[in-house]
Amino acid sequence: EAQVTQNPRYLITVTGKKLTVTCSQNMNHEYMSWYRQDPGLGLRQIYYSMNVEVTDKGDVPEGYKVSRKEKRNFPLILESPSPNQTSLYFCASMLSTNYRDRDYEQYFGPGTRLTVT
Amino acid sequence: LAKTTQPISMDSYEGQEVNITCSHNNIATNDYITWYQQFPSQGPRFIIQGYKTKVTNEVASLFIPADRKSSTLSLPRVSLSDTAVYYCLVGRMNRDDKIIFGKGTRLHILP
Repeated sequence: EAQVTQNPRYLITVTGKKLTVTCSQNMNHEYMSWYRQDPGLGLRQIYYSMNVEVTDKGDVPEGYKVSRKEKRNFPLILESPSPNQTSLYFCASMLSTNYRDRDYEQYFGPGTRLTVT
Repeated sequence: LAKTTQPISMDSYEGQEVNITCSHNNIATNDYITWYQQFPSQGPRFIIQGYKTKVTNEVASLFIPADRKSSTLSLPRVSLSDTAVYYCLVGRMNRDDKIIFGKGTRLHILP
């Protein structure tokens, strides 16, 4: 089954304790992205990756890191989490930014609900 | 990506046709228009995408006038399960483009 998986689904942590949220897709997609969703603010893009070893900042990259060493994986790293990073996080993937049809058909993971106390 | 404007919320009744309009006055020549649906605590799901005129699939129709400065997502005969947030995105990805979802339209279907 084609899918995007995220782990963990729920995480409660304390300020300053480094954490990683994993994201994996099995569709051989080139493009991957991380979003956070907060009440009243909608979905905001954190980082995206056009392909392996290529990453770029989205709208709200501060406090986050990403890496893209393999095509299928795109982990989100919070080196020193703070309470304002409490949010619902979504990973997404898309076939290719050069694909003529369905340029914007992103496939989303189930989400990771993070609480930082 | 071009800035979009959608109604914040809409109510409708089961069995009705629902039309959600998105304004995108600054749409560029190569931009596509894409709509997503999101249920609470789930990731958005692609609904439909179009460039001009009309596109129809098994879920919805997308109407795009000639000037392409707006688009209308049409959901035929809605049911309670269509209650969700609907996002309109406009743009064409390139290396320097971020994706901006905006706040979407919260559609509430009443029995």
